[in-house]
Amino acid sequence: GNSVTQMEGPVTLSEEAFLTINCTYTATGYPSLFWYVQYPGEGLQLLLKATKADDKGSNKGFEATYRKETTSFHLEKGSVQVSDSAVYFCAAPIEKLTFGTGTRLTIIP
Amino acid sequence: DAGVTQSPTHLIKTRGQQVTLRCSPKSGHDTVSWYQQALGQGPQFIFQYYEEEERQRGNFPDRFSGHQFPNYSSELNVNALLLGDSALYLCASSLKGSYNSPLHFGNGTRLTVT
Repeated sequence: GNSVTQMEGPVTLSEEAFLTINCTYTATGYPSLFWYVQYPGEGLQLLLKATKADDKGSNKGFEATYRKETTSFHLEKGSVQVSDSAVYFCAAPIEKLTFGTGTRLTIIP
Repeated sequence: DAGVTQSPTHLIKTRGQQVTLRCSPKSGHDTVSWYQQALGQGPQFIFQYYEEEERQRGNFPDRFSGHQFPNYSSELNVNALLLGDSALYLCASSLKGSYNSPLHFGNGTRLTVT
């Protein structure tokens, strides 16, 4: 069935390391794709989005490219900071907005 | 421009009790969705309201019900609470028809059932 599959965590990196969090989806057609971030004690915030194939979403140094060949939307950042520590969710509007299971990211100084 | 607001922020209830959670959508939004987020999990869709009617529903029992008011605000009611209902309940708002648009989330209500 339709779903969003996200790389399992937790992920621990040192400050200034390169980050990749994998996300793939299965759906009919090519829906918009989103990455949300959840900081401790807060709700979800939209981090970035891509509305069609080959689009690149970017925000706060994070990027993700919508690749229809591999049905993927991997999140990347070239140099992470301690303030990036949070839980990251990939999501797609498959019937309703469907979320991956989340990846907890911890950045150590 | 007020975002999505939820109340209360925290709640403790006993098994078997009933609870009502409230949500005001972001200004200009007319659709409200409710999600349940268990600890360490992604949000799970409960239902969505538009024009004061339930439009979509996830895989949740009838103990979960809701309501939307003419001002677009919404309530989530859970009856006969179980320990497993302990979770963060998130409200999200959007515009009808904006299927491919992102949702705007509130900070959630943390429900603990003892």
